[in-house]
Amino acid sequence: ILNVEQSPQSLHVQEGDSTNFTCSFPSSNFYALHWYRWETAKSPEALFVMTLNGDEKKKGRISATLNTKEGYSYLYIKGSQPEDSATYLCAFKGSGYSTLTFGKGTMLLVSP
Amino acid sequence: EPEVTQTPSHQVTQMGQEVILRCVPISNHLYFYWYRQILGQKVEFLVSFYNNEISEKSEIFDDQFSVERPDGSNFTLKIRSTKLEDSAMYFCASIRLANGELFFGEGSRLTVL
Repeated sequence: ILNVEQSPQSLHVQEGDSTNFTCSFPSSNFYALHWYRWETAKSPEALFVMTLNGDEKKKGRISATLNTKEGYSYLYIKGSQPEDSATYLCAFKGSGYSTLTFGKGTMLLVSP
Repeated sequence: EPEVTQTPSHQVTQMGQEVILRCVPISNHLYFYWYRQILGQKVEFLVSFYNNEISEKSEIFDDQFSVERPDGSNFTLKIRSTKLEDSAMYFCASIRLANGELFFGEGSRLTVL
């Protein structure tokens, strides 16, 4: 069983605050690390697919880094807005597997 | 923008009944998946499907579960005899290439009474 952990479980910040969450995953047999954003009553939506150690990806105010050797990824949100409120899921894909193993998610609430 | 669609959005059924959840993946996608999330728990992998056959399945996907793609567009998940613990949100997802991002449907909520 692959262990994918996310922390914190939930986070409540004020509009304008910057925030970050962690995803830890097995450091062996790495293939890819995905981040998804899941708003209530909608389907999860892909943010990033990261495959290389040291990868940094950015989409607007959201960015992510990847360290495959130590088995972690950070997701950063700069200047959080209320519309950033969602659950952020990371998912690990190992070599030789077609499937993703998801973390439990970090639930972010941004208050105006 | 193309999307994955799922029906029904919510189904309530009695324990022991058969349930079929339907999904229409994005048309040029090649890999199809079912995931589920029991309330308050992680999103769990059930099964992946490629080239008209199951490519991988989890321990959850026992003999009570089956999948098929009967007509080249629909991708269905059947639960033969539902149990209380099958109550969950079931998500269908598809990708075009094996290393791509998943595109999820909005989910089908199954409630087993």
